[in-house]
Order: sequence, then C-alpha cells, then structure tokens
Amino acid sequence: DGGITQSPKYLFRKEGQNVTLSCEQNLNHDAMYWYRQDPGQGLRLIYYSQIVNDFQKGDIAEGYSVSREKKESFPLTVTSAQKNPTAFYLCASSMTGGRGNEQFFGPGTRLTVL
Amino acid sequence: GDSVTQMEGPVTLSEEAFLTINCTYTATGYPSLFWYVQYPGEGLQLLLKATKADDKGSNKGFEATYRKETTSFHLEKGSVQVSDSAVYFCALSGLSRGAGNNRKLIWGLGTSLAVNP
Repeated sequence: DGGITQSPKYLFRKEGQNVTLSCEQNLNHDAMYWYRQDPGQGLRLIYYSQIVNDFQKGDIAEGYSVSREKKESFPLTVTSAQKNPTAFYLCASSMTGGRGNEQFFGPGTRLTVL
Repeated sequence: GDSVTQMEGPVTLSEEAFLTINCTYTATGYPSLFWYVQYPGEGLQLLLKATKADDKGSNKGFEATYRKETTSFHLEKGSVQVSDSAVYFCALSGLSRGAGNNRKLIWGLGTSLAVNP
C-alpha cells in the first residue's frame, strides 16, 4: 500500500533538546510538506520541498530545520530555539504542478515538551 | 493574499440531520478547492475537491459545489451519522511564493462536527 508514515506517534522531549520527526512516503511524490497544528489555529506551514536537495520556508519556519536528501524522506528537526514546540505535527506530500493536486497526509506526531 | 474562511464550530447535530458547513474564499485566478476531514488523533484525509467553477465534488454522501459568483464551496450532507464526527477543513490551492509551479494549500481554521445518536 502506498502512503506516508510518520514516526513516532508520540514524542516527549525535555526543554532545550533538539528532536527529529521522521516522514517517509512511497507515493513517488516530488513535493513534501510539514505542518504544525494547534487547537483552534488550523494548519500552519513550516517548510516545504518541491524537489530533492531543495526546500523553502513556510509561514512559521523559525526554530525548525529540514533536509531533503532522498525523494522519499523529509525529516523535521525541532530545535531548542523553538519557543513553544508542543503541538501536533503533520507531514504531507503531493505531485508537483497542476491546479488540482491534492496533498496526502501522514498520521501525525504529537510532540510534548516536558 | 489568498484566504479561506469557514464557519466557526463546534457544530452539534443529531443523527440523520442535514449538515451544511460554510466555506468562502478570496483568491486571484482560478484556484482548486478542497474539503479535508480529520478524525480524532489522526492525519487529514481528502474528502472531495473541485477544480473549476460549477464543478461538484462528492464522496461518502458529502457534496460541495464550486461557486465562483459567490466565492463559496459549502459542504453538505443530507443525513449525518455518528461516524461523521470529525473536524472538517476547507482549503484552496494558491500559487506558491517560491520557485517552481507547485501550489501550496491555503487552509481554513477547521469546523468541528459532533453527531449525537
């Protein structure tokens, strides 16, 4: 079955630590995205990548970093510079080009900072 | 810039009631429009989409019509079930600000629906 996997489902970290969230897709999609979801605020775009070895900042990139070394993988690192990292993080992918290309989502990772 | 406005929730209905969740948008050009659904603790799933004016998207008894004259894409279902309890997001495809021609999605804030038996 093709899809997107995110791991782990729940993640706890101590304040001041960096943590990396995994996202893998086998849909052969060129584009991948990271969103943050907080209650009552919908989805906010952190970073996106349209092709391997290239990525762009989204609306709330401060305190986050990404890499895109392989087409299938787009890991997100939440650094200690992120002031309020506790949230639900969603990874998505899509084909590039075309007006109607929907995004496919993973199951999400819930990060809690202790 | 492009934007999406959804009706605020939560919406609470009894089983078999009629559902409408309003969505209006502001966009340049001719965006595609989407409805996504998120069940508790899960990621988002595409529910339906429409790519041009007057298109009707439909899936699982849900429908939405792309109305360019009113810039709307309201979600409707004739008879809701308890299993429809979820958060519903309206979105449009906007032109990306970066290089390339891929389009980012612009999201509404979501509308929570609770259906009681």
